[in-house]
Amino acid sequence: SQQGEEDPQALSIQEGENATMNCSYKTSINILQWYRQNSGRGLVHLILIRSNEREKHSGRLRVTLDTSKKSSSLLITASRAADTASYFCATATSGGYQKVTFGTGTKLQVIP
Amino acid sequence: GAVVSQHPSRVICKSGTSVKIECRSLDFQATTMFWYRQFPKQSLMLMATSNEGSKATYEQGVEKDKFLINHASLTLSTLTVTSAHPEDSSFYICSARSDRGRGETQYFGPGTRLLVL
Repeated sequence: SQQGEEDPQALSIQEGENATMNCSYKTSINILQWYRQNSGRGLVHLILIRSNEREKHSGRLRVTLDTSKKSSSLLITASRAADTASYFCATATSGGYQKVTFGTGTKLQVIP
Repeated sequence: GAVVSQHPSRVICKSGTSVKIECRSLDFQATTMFWYRQFPKQSLMLMATSNEGSKATYEQGVEKDKFLINHASLTLSTLTVTSAHPEDSSFYICSARSDRGRGETQYFGPGTRLLVL
């Protein structure tokens, strides 16, 4: 079963605006990752945050993690048309082979 | 980042035939590879996890006799859809966990679109 749920399911913004996507999960995790998927393509790894971290930055991306609320957010600043894609959060539990479970995804459309 | 390839990228087959999909890690060794299935406009669903040299671990509800997985080497895993039916039509994506660093990140292949007629 899917671990994470993302919200919103779809988001449409103007180029230059910021986009925020949220992910909530159910069980304790070891790491949380965000991926991007362009239509009909494979996934591109964006950023990884560990359970003992609260915030991470990578270029125009900012990820936060609140383990007490079991939630994470992905912020894309100064969005570009090329950011149009589906974004998934993926959680992994500790131990074993760290099976990764994907959320439901947010479809982002950036309008030029 | 690490590169994972899949072959073929697209396949159309007749109902009842078997289809083999290859997943290769090109510039790293992957002791663990994962196979996912994605239906249109849905998220990825993990089908199975394969470790090199051992039997794959299948998720609940995934038929191991229908989806045969072979992880023959540290850089190659194959998924064979046996006796394919139209309901098996889907986007199949593999991923490999890199042996670099902490080995936490999964790198994904570009996916294989299967259409069963």
